[in-house]
Amino acid sequence: GQQVMQIPQYQHVQEGEDFTTYCNSSTTLSNIQWYKQRPGGHPVFLIQLVKSGEVKKQKRLTFQFGEAKKNSSLHITATQTTDVGTYFCAGRDTGRRALTFGSGTRLQVQP
Amino acid sequence: GAGVSQTPSNKVTEKGKYVELRCDPISGHTALYWYRQSLGQGPEFLIYFQGTGAADDSGLPNDRFFAVRPEGSVSTLKIQRTERGDSAVYLCASSPTGPGDTQYFGPGTRLTVL
Repeated sequence: GQQVMQIPQYQHVQEGEDFTTYCNSSTTLSNIQWYKQRPGGHPVFLIQLVKSGEVKKQKRLTFQFGEAKKNSSLHITATQTTDVGTYFCAGRDTGRRALTFGSGTRLQVQP
Repeated sequence: GAGVSQTPSNKVTEKGKYVELRCDPISGHTALYWYRQSLGQGPEFLIYFQGTGAADDSGLPNDRFFAVRPEGSVSTLKIQRTERGDSAVYLCASSPTGPGDTQYFGPGTRLTVL
């Protein structure tokens, strides 16, 4: 079945440093979504990417969808303590209706 | 309501018991999803409803798990003969039309099987 892998599992950065998490799918995706989950909270939608090679920005966050639509990345510039949480990618392959979530990257930001 | 609600927020039960978890989606959302999240893991898909029908139940781990959405709004996830391995946070999400939409998650029900 479809597998979605994320690396790294955990990253600890100093406030102001950049952060990147990578997402790789075993199958070609029709779309990919990114979610953020704060400690003790539930996943909150950040963005959806649909097109091959698509890049979207939200303030300090940059999301990219690979040309082959099998990988994606989230880059945060100049992290802040409010960025703390776990970031999940979730992909839907072309033959399946449901999303498959990655295992997430937990970000810790040291003030 | 403003968002997806789930009840109860916490459920502690004994091994072998039956439990029901409820999800109240955002009004008007036709798609509803159940996930299970274990500590340190991403949400694991269980079942997806489109209206009243289960459009994809391929994530249900075995026949002890069953879910219904009889009127196309509220959904109930039912677990029979609970096992300790069923302990997890059960998340419900809804979206306006289908899996291509943004999914709005509820706060989850933390199930503990003793």
